[in-house]
Amino acid sequence: GAVVSQHPSRVICKSGTSVKIECRSLDFQATTMFWYRQFPKKSLMLMATSNEGSKATYEQGVEKDKFLINHASLTLSTLTVTSAHPEDSSFYICSARGVGRYEQYFGPGTRLTVT
Amino acid sequence: TQLLEQSPQFLSIQEGENLTVYCNSSSVFSSLQWYRQEPGEGPVLLVTVVTGGEVKKLKRLTFQFGDARKDSSLHITAAQPGDTGLYLCAGALDSWGKLQFGAGTQVVVTP
Repeated sequence: GAVVSQHPSRVICKSGTSVKIECRSLDFQATTMFWYRQFPKKSLMLMATSNEGSKATYEQGVEKDKFLINHASLTLSTLTVTSAHPEDSSFYICSARGVGRYEQYFGPGTRLTVT
Repeated sequence: TQLLEQSPQFLSIQEGENLTVYCNSSSVFSSLQWYRQEPGEGPVLLVTVVTGGEVKKLKRLTFQFGDARKDSSLHITAAQPGDTGLYLCAGALDSWGKLQFGAGTQVVVTP
């Protein structure tokens, strides 16, 4: 149980375009989903917390207009990187937390490369 | 500065040796989780500890939560090459809050 999927696993896009990443909890309902960014050989950096049906809460320094988060259902959250630039290239990972649970379960990550 | 100080940053050992990874903080956590991450993949949850002084075992891995719920350790007995990975501790300051991650410990076990 507690499986989280992400799609796509890898994406290459041109500078100035937008990219959408999906995060799904496959076998449980996730009231809260989290989006992280990870640089090579570094730990995870929380970008935002999203609760189903409400606006995401962004961490300090994360541009909400650049990283659009939607959590439309209890099993799906999306992160859209708008007007992507090479510095947005990174490994993006989502996690999901089930109702009444402490644990976060992570997706496999999405490698974004902006050329 | 990180809320959770994880040490060491890097550990290289031979197969069969033991190792311990530490996570320390001045803050009290309602729960603490340990994850292992392999390159190009998401972290995989190993264990959650919630009670001060709690000890949990997962095969050759032993996890301990400090009595004051400010620190934790992960001990691996007789390490195997399959234990290679980035080990991350993460604590929640309140039950439903976001996780504070340690910087991670890269463990390499050579045959």
